[in-house]
Amino acid sequence: SQTIHQWPATLVQPVGSPLSLECTVEGTSNPNLYWYRQAAGRGLQLLFYSVGIGQISSEVPQNLSASRPQDRQFILSSKKLLLSDSGFYLCAWSVGVGFYSGETQYFGPGTRLLVL
Amino acid sequence: DQQVKQNSPSLSVQEGRISILNCDYTNSMFDYFLWYKKYPAEGPTFLISISSIKDKNEDGRFTVFLNKSAKHLSLHIVPSQPGDSAVYFCAASANGAGSYQLTFGKGTKLSVIP
Repeated sequence: SQTIHQWPATLVQPVGSPLSLECTVEGTSNPNLYWYRQAAGRGLQLLFYSVGIGQISSEVPQNLSASRPQDRQFILSSKKLLLSDSGFYLCAWSVGVGFYSGETQYFGPGTRLLVL
Repeated sequence: DQQVKQNSPSLSVQEGRISILNCDYTNSMFDYFLWYKKYPAEGPTFLISISSIKDKNEDGRFTVFLNKSAKHLSLHIVPSQPGDSAVYFCAASANGAGSYQLTFGKGTKLSVIP
């Protein structure tokens, strides 16, 4: 069975400090990977998605970046955190069953980031 | 422009009764729809999905109905249990290139009262 891991679970960082959140998926190959953010009282905002190693698409311009160094590893980074970066960050994966088929995304446990 | 809308931010239901969560969409290209359940400080959990070739899909206590002409879908939970108390997100994807991308609603918080 497939599992998805995220760490750390909770992170408190000062403004201007760097960020690195990691996500790994087990039990599947060539997954599509996603980073979402849920800010307080808001829905899920797609930040980045990746359809393969080194392939990153950004949905929202910001001071965050993403990388996919390995097939099942997805990293969310920032060089300098802002107060507005606080939120709940979620990694997700999906595997296509066909080009014209819908895909179900499965989410990790999330990382709660508080920028002070 | 919000393409997936959950107009009720919250819903309270008595235990044992039916919970009906609603979702509307505007993009006629959407053809795959999902419901997720989310507890605080946890990732969303996939509940049930429906393809646009169907108008109903059932899984245990959960049933999703799709009305394509009205661009409306709903999730029915029968009977509702206190453990169902959570935020429910509706999501949709469009056919073709980028079909793996989901557009989410803002969620409806369901409270099941014992």
